[in-house]
Amino acid sequence: EPEVTQTPSHQVTQMGQEVILRCVPISNHLYFYWYRQILGQKVEFLVSFYNNEISEKSEIFDDQFSVERPDGSNFTLKIRSTKLEDSAMYFCASSLPPEGAGYEQYFGPGTRLTVT
Amino acid sequence: AQKVTQAQTEISVVEKEDVTLDCVYETRDTTYYLFWYKQPPSGELVFLIRRNSFDEQNEISGRYSWNFQKSTSSFNFTITASQVVDSAVYFCAPIRMDSSYKLIFGSGTRLLVRP
Repeated sequence: EPEVTQTPSHQVTQMGQEVILRCVPISNHLYFYWYRQILGQKVEFLVSFYNNEISEKSEIFDDQFSVERPDGSNFTLKIRSTKLEDSAMYFCASSLPPEGAGYEQYFGPGTRLTVT
Repeated sequence: AQKVTQAQTEISVVEKEDVTLDCVYETRDTTYYLFWYKQPPSGELVFLIRRNSFDEQNEISGRYSWNFQKSTSSFNFTITASQVVDSAVYFCAPIRMDSSYKLIFGSGTRLLVRP
């Protein structure tokens, strides 16, 4: 069964460093998402991406964040200058066009980002 | 504005008991979908069920059943004959039918099933 994959599973970085989190969505999916979950808290929406552009972003997704689909298969989240409060689990998700599949989003296993 | 409320922060039951998880979704939207996700201790998010706002018929799938009442905005999820492996955090997550179709997660209910 197709699945969303994410690399790395765990990333440790120093404050102020740039990190890139990578995701490979399911191949025929067209909508892509990043969510994050600070330890012990709820899952929060960061950004949605469709047709090679951001369709919506949350207040969390400030100028330090960017997303890219560089080659038609990968979907990346970049944090330009990490802060301690960026420490969280980051989930990538993808979905088919809504009319095709009931809006279900398939989640990757997550990347745990630790900023020291 | 939309508001998702999971008032139960933690529930503890003994194995084989039935348990119901509550979710209230307040919205002015007339059309939406509601999802339940399970997050076991390993951390991944596992899709469980999906319901739409225009179908209030209750359904049962194995040990899972769900009750949706649009008039009260409540979307409750029941596990029958709970098992230790059901121990996890359960999130209710509606989806908005706008350009992004993003999920709006509730705060989650931690379920502990004791042997």
